[in-house]
Amino acid sequence: NAGVTQTPKFRILKIGQSMTLQCTQDMNHNYMYWYRQDPGMGLKLIYYSVGAGITDKGEVPNGYNVSRSTTEDFPLRLELAAPSQTSVYFCASSYPDRGDTQYFGPGTRLTVL
Amino acid sequence: AQSVAQPEDQVNVAEGNPLTVKCTYSVSGNPYLFWYVQYPNRGLQFLLKYITGDNLVKGSYGFEAEFNKSQTSFHLKKPSALVSDSALYFCAVRLISLGAGSYQLTFGKGTKLSVIP
Repeated sequence: NAGVTQTPKFRILKIGQSMTLQCTQDMNHNYMYWYRQDPGMGLKLIYYSVGAGITDKGEVPNGYNVSRSTTEDFPLRLELAAPSQTSVYFCASSYPDRGDTQYFGPGTRLTVL
Repeated sequence: AQSVAQPEDQVNVAEGNPLTVKCTYSVSGNPYLFWYVQYPNRGLQFLLKYITGDNLVKGSYGFEAEFNKSQTSFHLKKPSALVSDSALYFCAVRLISLGAGSYQLTFGKGTKLSVIP
């Protein structure tokens, strides 16, 4: 199994551009998450989904959008990139068993100039 | 609101010595507690979790953690550190009860562990 995969690994955007970060998991997990990691700040939850067609905001959703049309995929959309969105983005997935352990992808490093 | 504190930005330990990485938490109900490790330019890897039961939890790579409800702590420990343990360690908490926001993991800021040969 590949687990959680993310593309691209790196990306540089200009201010105002848009892009979609892709996330796919092959573990048949119901729950999926998007986090951003800023230096010295830990991880902040952007959006999460508890199943296909169901999404909800996390702690820092402004400037982002998500969709969940299938169990496997959970893309994150940046519509108008801003320098404040320079960060490392991690996708994660979990199954709602006891403890609900989240498994993370390798991350996408995004720079907005 | 739930929160996690990792009071040390960096911990240095000599190879072969025991290590402890500290974590305290604040939640209004009963918590699930997690430790994750992050190697450079990699995603987070699950180490161990506390759900209920035995306060001493054993995890991957020889790590263990002790849940202390009265001190609201969940410190990560290992009896003998290896150079390969050098990485960034994150503690995280989630409420057990289902409800709005209960799916959210709240992470600490991370502790950089350096094991010196």
